[in-house]
Amino acid sequence: GAVVSQHPSRVICKSGTSVKIECRSLDFQATTMFWYRQFPKQSLMLMATSNEGSKATYEQGVEKDKFLINHASLTLSTLTVTSAHPEDSSFYICSASTHLMGLPYEQYFGPGTRLTVT
Amino acid sequence: KNQVEQSPQSLIILEGKNCTLQCNYTVSPFSNLRWYKQDTGRGPVSLTIMTFSENTKSNGRYTATLDADTKQSSLHITASQLSDSASYICVVITRGGNTGKLIFGQGTTLQVKP
Repeated sequence: GAVVSQHPSRVICKSGTSVKIECRSLDFQATTMFWYRQFPKQSLMLMATSNEGSKATYEQGVEKDKFLINHASLTLSTLTVTSAHPEDSSFYICSASTHLMGLPYEQYFGPGTRLTVT
Repeated sequence: KNQVEQSPQSLIILEGKNCTLQCNYTVSPFSNLRWYKQDTGRGPVSLTIMTFSENTKSNGRYTATLDADTKQSSLHITASQLSDSASYICVVITRGGNTGKLIFGQGTTLQVKP
């Protein structure tokens, strides 16, 4: 149980375009979803936290108008990178959390999405 | 400041050998500590989860230890295999709100050679 999927697994887009990444909890309802970014040889950096039906909370330094997060249901959150630039190229990982099972503050990670902006 | 430091940064061992990875943390308030394995281009996968009162926990060839007094943890890998080549991340969860907060270490990159 507790499987989180992401789609697409990799995407290449042109500079200036927008790209959407989906994160789904497949077998549980996620009350909270998280979005992380990981640059090569670095650890995961939290970008934002989103609760179903409410606005996301962004970490300091993350532009909310550039990284749009929608958490429309208990099983789906989307991250849209708007007007992407080459410096946005990174590995984006989502995770999902629920208070209904698992240890406190358990987060289940997705497999990640590799974004390359040309 | 909440911090998690791991050592070594990278490690190369021969297949079949054992190794130990270290994690020191200054995180408060402490909820639990986890070790994750992250293969290249994949998301982290949980190996062990340890609460304050647990000293040792095993998961197959992986054994984690926790000393809450000295705020140190280790991950011991026994009889390494080529598939163990990955980044190992120590994460300490601090209590707070409904979701807590994950404090990530920088990871140790392990390479197992034949």
